[in-house]
Amino acid sequence: KNQVEQSPQSLIILEGKNCTLQCNYTVSPFSNLRWYKQDTGRGPVSLTIMTFSENTKSNGRYTATLDADTKQSSLHITASQLSDSASYICVVSRGGATNKLIFGTGTLLAVQP
Amino acid sequence: KAGVTQTPRYLIKTRGQQVTLSCSPISGHRSVSWYQQTPGQGLQFLFEYFSETQRNKGNFPGRFSGRQFSNSRSEMNVSTLELGDSALYLCASSAGGTSGSVFEQYFGPGTRLTVT
Repeated sequence: KNQVEQSPQSLIILEGKNCTLQCNYTVSPFSNLRWYKQDTGRGPVSLTIMTFSENTKSNGRYTATLDADTKQSSLHITASQLSDSASYICVVSRGGATNKLIFGTGTLLAVQP
Repeated sequence: KAGVTQTPRYLIKTRGQQVTLSCSPISGHRSVSWYQQTPGQGLQFLFEYFSETQRNKGNFPGRFSGRQFSNSRSEMNVSTLELGDSALYLCASSAGGTSGSVFEQYFGPGTRLTVT
């Protein structure tokens, strides 16, 4: 079954600290993996998109890694800010004739002052 | 460049009624996808349209339907509303051909539907 699992479900960190969010998937065939940030009451915003051949991709203080062999990805946030408080969603695209996005349920991050 | 717009932003309906939600994609984008987001299930794919044709469909009952117009604007309709249809409905547009391609997807702010 094509699934995307994220951990932890929720996380509280202090402003200025780093954190890492995890994503494991069993989607096959794999096309690409995305990380989205969703602020409360708003639509998701893309942070990174990685294809099979990409191991690391950065977007400012956000760095995503992908290990296609173990089917794991992580999103690392450095020097967290209050504005990083949001839900972070891992999405894997299943390739083949019918390209479909399979969503994780997200990690809810709260950054406290 | 204007982003994806969705109307209305909030909607309250009663069970048994029907509802139509609208989505205007980013200018030039031909692919529009619809998603349902609930606290328990997360984001779930409803369907995707490209050049007025439905390209992909998720696992939702036939009460959920959609269409796309020649200007790429899209509507989704839910008939015979149930309490469980209460959710945030998001649409996303892309310049690419399918929702799973490497083309970036841009989400709208969503329509919050409450069914009482």
